[in-house]
Amino acid sequence: DQQVKQNSPSLSVQEGRISILNCDYTNSMFDYFLWYKKYPAEGPTFLISISSIKDKNEDGRFTVFLNKSAKHLSLHIVPSQPGDSAVYFCASPGGSNYKLTFGKGTLLTVNP
Amino acid sequence: DAGITQSPRHKVTETGTPVTLRCHQTENHRYMYWYRQDPGHGLRLIHYSYGVKDTDKGEVSDGYSVSRSKTEDFLLTLESATSSQTSVYFCAISRDSNNQPQHFGDGTRLSIL
Repeated sequence: DQQVKQNSPSLSVQEGRISILNCDYTNSMFDYFLWYKKYPAEGPTFLISISSIKDKNEDGRFTVFLNKSAKHLSLHIVPSQPGDSAVYFCASPGGSNYKLTFGKGTLLTVNP
Repeated sequence: DAGITQSPRHKVTETGTPVTLRCHQTENHRYMYWYRQDPGHGLRLIHYSYGVKDTDKGEVSDGYSVSRSKTEDFLLTLESATSSQTSVYFCAISRDSNNQPQHFGDGTRLSIL
């Protein structure tokens, strides 16, 4: 059973527009979430995180929103740039501390 | 960038042979992890270590063993490789506090023929 779900395998946006990547989770005990970006032939790179005591965390062009009642989080990238084209994973340690559970990823393509 | 080196970066081997992948870190982090990435599955945890000689299983540990004899090195061994273990393997590290992000190496692409 997937505890962290990314239901969109791919997303295509125009440069300069907003990219919104979505993630759902099943366990209401999950209290910390991370987003990673991955380029081909490289390891995932940590992007941004959010704790359940917040509903928003911002870092430059990247903002993560957390809706605990809906068990849903989203990553907003504004404005999107071609260099943002990558696979994005959401993840959570769940209740197990340290052991990350990943979604299957969403391939973002930003077109010039 | 976190100081994580995985070796080898690429390996092709035959079914039934033993394979050992190495992860080396220079960050002195307590926690180390091995994941595999397969199409349609994202990243899945194989084994992890919470200290020297302290290891535990992840969600896909069958067919794999690990060892950690010193802080900086975490080895993943496939005792008798099978074609289903063809994958990209990632090592990750994290500090010893809650809710700290894990940082990943660049992966080892392993093909078992």
